[in-house]
Amino acid sequence: GAVVSQHPSRVICKSGTSVKIECRSLDFQATTMFWYRQFPKQSLMLMATSNEGSKATYEQGVEKDKFLINHASLTLSTLTVTSAHPEDSSFYICSAMYTNTGELFFGEGSRLTVL
Amino acid sequence: QQQVKQSPQSLIVQKGGISIINCAYENTAFDYFPWYQQFPGKGPALLIAIRPDVSEKKEGRFTISFNKSAKQFSLHIMDSQPGDSATYFCAAVKKSSGDKLTFGTGTRLAVRP
Repeated sequence: GAVVSQHPSRVICKSGTSVKIECRSLDFQATTMFWYRQFPKQSLMLMATSNEGSKATYEQGVEKDKFLINHASLTLSTLTVTSAHPEDSSFYICSAMYTNTGELFFGEGSRLTVL
Repeated sequence: QQQVKQSPQSLIVQKGGISIINCAYENTAFDYFPWYQQFPGKGPALLIAIRPDVSEKKEGRFTISFNKSAKQFSLHIMDSQPGDSATYFCAAVKKSSGDKLTFGTGTRLAVRP
């Protein structure tokens, strides 16, 4: 199946710093990518929908100034957690939609720990 | 938010047994029902999916049963193995309009040797 790469897989940062997570579709072009957040033993919570060349659409309750999303190319979307705080610590997962079939392929996830 | 209800929350099965996970949905506009498998610390991976015009789909040891009138679908894992121990999520989407996935709450499966 198609491959979606997320980087970094783990990141530890100090409170107040910003962290960027990359999501790449390695062997296909993805017009649409999605960003999720997952707390331990819980389901995936959709944060935002990222469309190439346009502004991301954020879900209700997600601060767009806090979680900056950029989808600059058909193979790359980035999530930047700005001025991170301990409550932002979580597992962040991206998915990319294979345009031809609408199939969704998920990245391996990025574990963010804010000290 | 549109819901997909999933049960049980956790499941313990002996090796060789059958694991059954159930999901129910409300929105009759959903037209694609995937199941995802997630191992700890990893992203979800598509396991098997079904469309509402089919009542059953089988891939290896994994089978989806779909009951359109009851708005329910289930995952059956035959001959369950310890390597199947993971969290399973059902999901639903109106794929024809490119809508986002609605996930179930997840089932943590443990297969005992």
